[in-house]
Amino acid sequence: GIQVEQSPPDLILQEGANSTLRCNFSDSVNNLQWFHQNPWGQLINLFYIPSGTKQNGRLSATTVATERYSLLYISSSQTTDSGVYFCAVDRMDSSYKLIFGSGTRLLVRP
Amino acid sequence: EAGVAQSPRYKIIEKRQSVAFWCNPISGHATLYWYQQILGQGPKLLIQFQNNGVVDDSQLPKDRFSAERLKGVDSTLKIQPAKLEDSAVYLCASSLGSTALGREKLFFGSGTQLSVL
Repeated sequence: GIQVEQSPPDLILQEGANSTLRCNFSDSVNNLQWFHQNPWGQLINLFYIPSGTKQNGRLSATTVATERYSLLYISSSQTTDSGVYFCAVDRMDSSYKLIFGSGTRLLVRP
Repeated sequence: EAGVAQSPRYKIIEKRQSVAFWCNPISGHATLYWYQQILGQGPKLLIQFQNNGVVDDSQLPKDRFSAERLKGVDSTLKIQPAKLEDSAVYLCASSLGSTALGREKLFFGSGTQLSVL
């Protein structure tokens, strides 16, 4: 099956710092989404981004489908950005099944 | 707009007992998913419904897990009998289902945290 690898696995930032999270995937995909899981376990959809670049406030994401990776940028990080960031992909066949990576655990210190 | 509703929020049972979880998706969402998230891992799809039909249940342990979505709206996931390794968070998600399957944004509920002792 398709492999989804996220890096780094853990990240500690000082409030105000910028960061880049990476998601590599092993096969062509139809669907790529970034999620944030807050410390209370709620998963929030950040971006639906199978290709191209999108921005939403301090967050932006870029997916280069031909090179099989996606990047999530967090600028001017805040303590509320803490949690786990997941990348999930759906392989380009008829499986229609989102496969999640193991996540990047982010801690933003005040 | 109301989000995906799940209950209960927490459940503690002993092994070999049975348990059921309930999910009500966002109004109008045709596709409903149940995911299992073990501590420290990403969510894993158990079963996917399109209206009241099963699209994918290839990773559902059918000897002990069952799920239904009889009227194409809310859904229940049951485990009988539970094992220690079933301890996890069970997440329900939904999507519109109006375009090609698997190519839409997913919206998750808060999950049910199950502890099997």
